[in-house]
Amino acid sequence: DQQVKQNSPSLSVQEGRISILNCDYTNSMFDYFLWYKKYPAEGPTFLISISSIKDKNEDGRFTVFLNKSAKHLSLHIVPSQPGDSAVYFCAASRTLYNNAGNMLTFGGGTRLMVKP
Amino acid sequence: DTEVTQTPKHLVMGMTNKKSLKCEQHMGHRAMYWYKQKAKKPPELMFVYSYEKLSINESVPSRFSPECPNSSLLNLHLHALQPEDSALYLCASAAMFGNTIYFGEGSWLTVV
Repeated sequence: DQQVKQNSPSLSVQEGRISILNCDYTNSMFDYFLWYKKYPAEGPTFLISISSIKDKNEDGRFTVFLNKSAKHLSLHIVPSQPGDSAVYFCAASRTLYNNAGNMLTFGGGTRLMVKP
Repeated sequence: DTEVTQTPKHLVMGMTNKKSLKCEQHMGHRAMYWYKQKAKKPPELMFVYSYEKLSINESVPSRFSPECPNSSLLNLHLHALQPEDSALYLCASAAMFGNTIYFGEGSWLTVV
């Protein structure tokens, strides 16, 4: 059972335009959501996150929107740049009990290609 | 500084070998993780350590043995692996009451 889904395996966008990456989740226990960017042969790099008490978080060219009722979040990149080309993973976190830390569940990833 | 350092970056081992992957962070994070990632798949959680104690084991085979010697170090001991265990192994850490998990660059493991 895939609790976090990214239904678009790939997305192609022209440089300077907006990239919108989507993510859906099913587990209502998730209370924090993150986006990671991953280049081949490297570990995921944290991009931006949002708490479940918010519906929007912005950091420079990156904005994440959360719609809790729809269990949906999206990452907007404006303007898109060729260097943004990578695989983007959506991840959902839930706080574990007994001070066990947090656990991430990843979506399958979306490959973004930004064309010059 | 949000750096998680993993060594080695690449490892080739035979099915009878014993080797270890190492991970280090100096951010004061008390939660540390091992993830496994196969090509074109998302990372999959293997182990979680909190306050140097194993808190989560996601039914990982015993040929993978984690160890947390202190709050900055996390090891993954490998023994009698199978070729299908070849993957990118990612270490990560997070503040205990923080929500952002930071990943290292990963160790590419090839089992021959």
